[in-house]
Amino acid sequence: GQNIDQPTEMTATEGAIVQINCTYQTSGFNGLFWYQQHAGEAPTFLSYNVLDGLEEKGRFSSFLSRSKGYSYLLLKELQMKDSASYLCAVRDSNYQLIWGAGTKLIIKP
Amino acid sequence: IAGITQAPTSQILAAGRRMTLRCTQDMRHNAMYWYRQDLGLGLRLIHYSNTAGTTGKGEVPDGYSVSRANTDDFPLTLASAVPSQTSVYFCASSAGQGGDIQYFGAGTRLSVL
Repeated sequence: GQNIDQPTEMTATEGAIVQINCTYQTSGFNGLFWYQQHAGEAPTFLSYNVLDGLEEKGRFSSFLSRSKGYSYLLLKELQMKDSASYLCAVRDSNYQLIWGAGTKLIIKP
Repeated sequence: IAGITQAPTSQILAAGRRMTLRCTQDMRHNAMYWYRQDLGLGLRLIHYSNTAGTTGKGEVPDGYSVSRANTDDFPLTLASAVPSQTSVYFCASSAGQGGDIQYFGAGTRLSVL
C-alpha cells in the first residue's frame, strides 16, 4: 500500500528553527511537495523536490533523499504566522498526489 | 485574479438529499480535482479531470459524481447524501495533469445530518 508518515503535531518557539519530517512508501516516485495550510483555509504550495538534496527558498528549505524515502521541511526564524499545518504529498507512478495527514505546527512566543 | 471559486462556503444537508458543490477556475488550467479532508486523515482524491470532457475516479469515488463540460467548471454531485460524507471539500486545479503544482479553492464545509 501507499503510506506517508508525518508527526501529528510539533511545538516550537518564535525565532527558532524547526524540522518537519516526512517518510513515504509509494508505488513509484515522481516528486514530493510541501504545502502549508492555515486553520480553516486552503492548502498553498511551498516547495517541490524531485532530485536528492536541499532546495532553499527564503526562510523555508526542503530536503529529499529518494533512497531513504525521506524528506524534511526546515523553517528558520520562526514567526507566529508560521503556525499552520504542513502537508507532505508524493506524486506516484500514476502522477497522482498521495497526501500525508499533515503536521500541525504550534509557535509559542 | 480570482483563481478558484467554490460554492457554497458551507452547507447543512439532510441525509438522502441531492447536493452539487460548484467549482470554477479562471486560470485556464487543464486539470481539476476534488478532495475531501477529514480530521486526522490526509487529503483524499474523490474524482479528477485531466482535461475538459474527461474524468477519472480517485481514491474515494463512491457516492460522488463529476462532470467536466468545459475548462472552467468542475461540479461535484452527491446523489443521495449520507452522514459519512460530512467533510470539508476542496477543489483544486493544475496547469498539467497530476504532478503540477495544484491551486486550491477555499473549500466547502458540508454537514450531512
